[in-house]
Amino acid sequence: RKEVEQDPGPFNVPEGATVAFNCTYSNSASQSFFWYRQDCRKEPKLLMSVYSSGNEDGRFTAQLNRASQYISLLIRDSKLSDSATYLCVALSYQKVTFGTGTKLQVIP
Amino acid sequence: SAVISQKPSRDICQRGTSLTIQCQVDSQVTMMFWYRQQPGQSLTLIATANQGSEATYESGFVIDKFPISRPNLTFSTLTVSNMSPEDSSIYLCSVNRGVPEAFFGQGTRLTVV
Repeated sequence: RKEVEQDPGPFNVPEGATVAFNCTYSNSASQSFFWYRQDCRKEPKLLMSVYSSGNEDGRFTAQLNRASQYISLLIRDSKLSDSATYLCVALSYQKVTFGTGTKLQVIP
Repeated sequence: SAVISQKPSRDICQRGTSLTIQCQVDSQVTMMFWYRQQPGQSLTLIATANQGSEATYESGFVIDKFPISRPNLTFSTLTVSNMSPEDSSIYLCSVNRGVPEAFFGQGTRLTVV
């Protein structure tokens, strides 16, 4: 079993739609969690951190459920520019583990 | 944030040859990380490079194939040795300066023919 698992998608959604991604992790010692965004042929960049209390940044909301060991990312009012691969990331003892990524394609 | 300069950005190499990828950080960092991202896959950690000691390799990666240098706190190199087409991938260096966020170089897109 992979340490961090995501549905690879692709998720094809119309502009303005709300889309949610989930991610599960197996290492209960993981301390911190993040969502990264990776555009085609580019390096990953931090989108947002994930906290148990939830974290909202504009149209993006991230949530952590430690009991169930899953992380979610909600994108509201999708824009064409949101099209990318979203990587779920778990950090434990400075080791960063990436999920396989979920591809999002926002359609006009 | 951290600014990381990685080069080359891409290369096409003959099988059996070696390629050295360089990564320069704009400030001192304790650990630097080397990742591989194969087509359609996520990032896989190759090794962690500490200054003044040998790199720590992840399962499935060995020093003979991926020798790493870390001569100082701002620089590291990864060599892909005796390349085969299976080594075609994107290679990325990364740092996290005592905070959880990971910063990446722009990546090296390697094609082995």
